[in-house]
Amino acid sequence: QKEVEQDPGPLSVPEGAIVSLNCTYSNSAFQYFMWYRQYSRKGPELLMYTYSSGNKEDGRFTAQVDKSSKYISLFIRDSQPSDSATYLCAMSRNSGNTPLVFGKGTRLSVIA
Amino acid sequence: GAVVSQHPSWVICKSGTSVKIECRSLDFQATTMFWYRQFPKQSLMLMATSNEGSKATYEQGVEKDKFLINHASLTLSTLTVTSAHPEDSSFYICSARGLQGRGNTIYFGEGSWLTVV
Repeated sequence: QKEVEQDPGPLSVPEGAIVSLNCTYSNSAFQYFMWYRQYSRKGPELLMYTYSSGNKEDGRFTAQVDKSSKYISLFIRDSQPSDSATYLCAMSRNSGNTPLVFGKGTRLSVIA
Repeated sequence: GAVVSQHPSWVICKSGTSVKIECRSLDFQATTMFWYRQFPKQSLMLMATSNEGSKATYEQGVEKDKFLINHASLTLSTLTVTSAHPEDSSFYICSARGLQGRGNTIYFGEGSWLTVV
């Protein structure tokens, strides 16, 4: 079993829809959880950062972490065509020298 | 704005030559930087962890003599692809973990496209 599982998609939704992206993981030691957005041929851009369990909201984006289920989610409200990108979940055990473990990324297309 | 700068954004080189890619943290000190490569439609693959003032830690299967990493200061790490071959053509991305203020967050550079012909 891979440490982080993420459905690669592609996921296609109409403009204005609520998008739900998620990842599952197997390592209960993960404490830091992140979502990155990557446009084609660009480096990943940090969208959301969460420590331990709980919800975090930033504009149209909401990140949820459920450590008991080892499940994290990213919700995008009122999706826009500009949200079309690959979304990568990432996590790590601590804030030291441990690198992030990434999901494979989900390709999202928001159709106008 | 960008907090991690990567240069060059793209480079084309001849087979057998060496290419250096720079990764700079712009407004924070980065004790640790990570180098990844990414093939089209694939996820990021960690190549090595670069620690300031010490040798890099390479992931299994990554040739340390081919991918030379130097982290000489708290704001700069370089990746040199030596004796490049067409199979080294890929998207190389660095990321940095901050020392102050940004200590728990990793930011990525814009990436460098390498094409070896």
